[in-house]
Amino acid sequence: SQQGEEDPQALSIQEGENATMNCSYKTSINNLQWYRQNSGRGLVHLILIRSNEREKHSGRLRVTLDTSKKSSSLLITASRAADTASYFCATGEGRRALTFGSGTRLQVQP
Amino acid sequence: GAVVSQHPSWVICKSGTSVKIECRSLDFQATTMFWYRQFPKQSLMLMATSNEGSKATYEQGVEKDKFLINHASLTLSTLTVTSAHPEDSSFYICSAFRGGGLVNTGELFFGEGSRLTVL
Repeated sequence: SQQGEEDPQALSIQEGENATMNCSYKTSINNLQWYRQNSGRGLVHLILIRSNEREKHSGRLRVTLDTSKKSSSLLITASRAADTASYFCATGEGRRALTFGSGTRLQVQP
Repeated sequence: GAVVSQHPSWVICKSGTSVKIECRSLDFQATTMFWYRQFPKQSLMLMATSNEGSKATYEQGVEKDKFLINHASLTLSTLTVTSAHPEDSSFYICSAFRGGGLVNTGELFFGEGSRLTVL
């Protein structure tokens, strides 16, 4: 089952602009992860944020987590055409399967 | 990082035939693997949890007799789509859990996916 929704479902921006994707989830979590998927490919792990963290950075990525609202956002700054992909948030830990959000398809126009 | 390999990466078959997809953890042992299905422009939906040496646990709505899962070794899980039909055409992705040194620690690694097209 899907954990929650992501918005927007699709996002088209110009190179150099920032892209923000939002994710909402339903259950209590210990951490939340973001993944990237290029078309027809597997998943690439981007970043994990723990429930006691509010913000985390990795290169051009910035992730926020608001556990009171059960939501997270992924910001990609200074986007590049190579950032074109689908982005998914996911929850779950230990030996349990991850549950994915509905995803955001990002198109970065060169 | 750890590597999970899926094979084949794509397969085309005729309706009514069976197709086997392999998921291997190449440099670690995985007692637990997961199989997901992803339809175009949709998210990954968990199909089943594959445990080495025991029967797989299927998610609600997934037919266990149609999607046979075998986790015969600590590095290999297979998904067999039996009597495939066009509606089974999808992208199938596996993930393998590599345990950490401590209880409840570890990490999931994903395969590159297998695209099945049933004619």
